[in-house]
Amino acid sequence: DVKVTQSSRYLVKRTGEKVFLECVQDMDHENMFWYRQDPGLGLRLIYFSYDVKMKEKGDIPEGYSVSREKKERFSLILESASTNQTSMYLCASFRTSYEQYFGPGTRLTVT
Amino acid sequence: AQSVTQPDIHITVSEGASLELRCNYSYGATPYLFWYVQSPGQGLQLLLKYFSGDTLVQGIKGFEAEFKRSQSSFNLRKPSVHWSDAAEYFCAVGANQAGTALIFGKGTTLSVSS
Repeated sequence: DVKVTQSSRYLVKRTGEKVFLECVQDMDHENMFWYRQDPGLGLRLIYFSYDVKMKEKGDIPEGYSVSREKKERFSLILESASTNQTSMYLCASFRTSYEQYFGPGTRLTVT
Repeated sequence: AQSVTQPDIHITVSEGASLELRCNYSYGATPYLFWYVQSPGQGLQLLLKYFSGDTLVQGIKGFEAEFKRSQSSFNLRKPSVHWSDAAEYFCAVGANQAGTALIFGKGTTLSVSS
């Protein structure tokens, strides 16, 4: 089975802190994604990466950056966390055919 | 622009009753379509997918979906709902030929009454 893991299930940070969300997949997938999920808004794409050191902005990249130094790991960085970044963050990966495998999510609260 | 609409925000069905969740998409080319399910506090799990061929696709947990090009729809069905089916359901469409992103609907929350 494909496994996508995320470093934390729950995270509480203060406004202005730098926050790192880590995602690791064990199936040698080229493509990895970060989404945020908010009630009534569904999933919105923040960034994605189709190869090591490659990244593309999604629909809502403002306030976020990403890092992909190794194929299996894709990190989402909040340079200076704000309260409007309180959300559920979901990581996903796939190799071909769009079928994305999701991690369990990280619920981030910024106070 | 591509888009996915799930018209029903919340649906309640009785256990044992049939279920249909609606999904309409807007996409110029042949779409790749998906249904995902998310149980409370969990990530998303793929229920089924449509790429081409038979327009009625079978998925896991007894779910099926039918692709209707003329109606731009991909509705999810289950003949008999179980209490464990209570969850949030997302329809998604493949956004481009390179296969690098999905566009999701806003989700439908399913409640199951006894």
